Amino acid sequence: AQRVTQPEKLLSVFKGAPVELKCNYSYSGSPELFWYVQYSRQRLQLLLRHISRESIKGFTADLNKGETSFHLKKPFAQEEDSAMYYCALASRTSSNYQLIWGAGTKLIIKP
Amino acid sequence: DTGVSQNPRHKITKRGQNVTFRCDPISEHNRLYWYRQTLGQGPEFLTYFQNEAQLEKSRLLSDRFSAERPKGSFSTLEIQRTEQGDSAMYLCASSFSNQPQHFGDGTRLSIL
Repeated sequence: AQRVTQPEKLLSVFKGAPVELKCNYSYSGSPELFWYVQYSRQRLQLLLRHISRESIKGFTADLNKGETSFHLKKPFAQEEDSAMYYCALASRTSSNYQLIWGAGTKLIIKP
Repeated sequence: DTGVSQNPRHKITKRGQNVTFRCDPISEHNRLYWYRQTLGQGPEFLTYFQNEAQLEKSRLLSDRFSAERPKGSFSTLEIQRTEQGDSAMYLCASSFSNQPQHFGDGTRLSIL
């Protein structure tokens, strides 16, 4: 079964501390993974995708096929990072392309 | 381009009524997606279009739900004979082929 699991509903850390938001997936094919972020009163927006291998707003995420994980990390959290974070997996067939989503993790950065 | 636009932002209706939502995608995007999101959950895929063709429908989409994209531009999602369980945020997203999806603000549906 195709599934995305974000085990933490809520993660609270102090400003300046490292952050790691966990994401595990289950997928039989070659995975394509994304992190989306939703700031308060804003729409969902793409944060990063694994194939880009880039760092956005100081966040990075590495695909670990052995552990079927795509954890999101940032070495020093900032207050503006407080938001909902969703991990998503692209599910592909010959005629279909859709995203399968985790339940999300609410990140709170304490001053 | 202001991005993906959804109307209305909020819809309150009585159980049993029909409702229709509209989504205007980013103009050059050929794909349009509908999702439903309930409290504490991530978005759940409902259906998607490539141009005017509806290519996939989730099992979540009962016979009371219908979506159209008649000219390959805007899309409508209609729910007939609404039920309490239909209360949710309905999200629309668009993309160019398999590029990342861009989301609208959503339509929040409340069934009284």
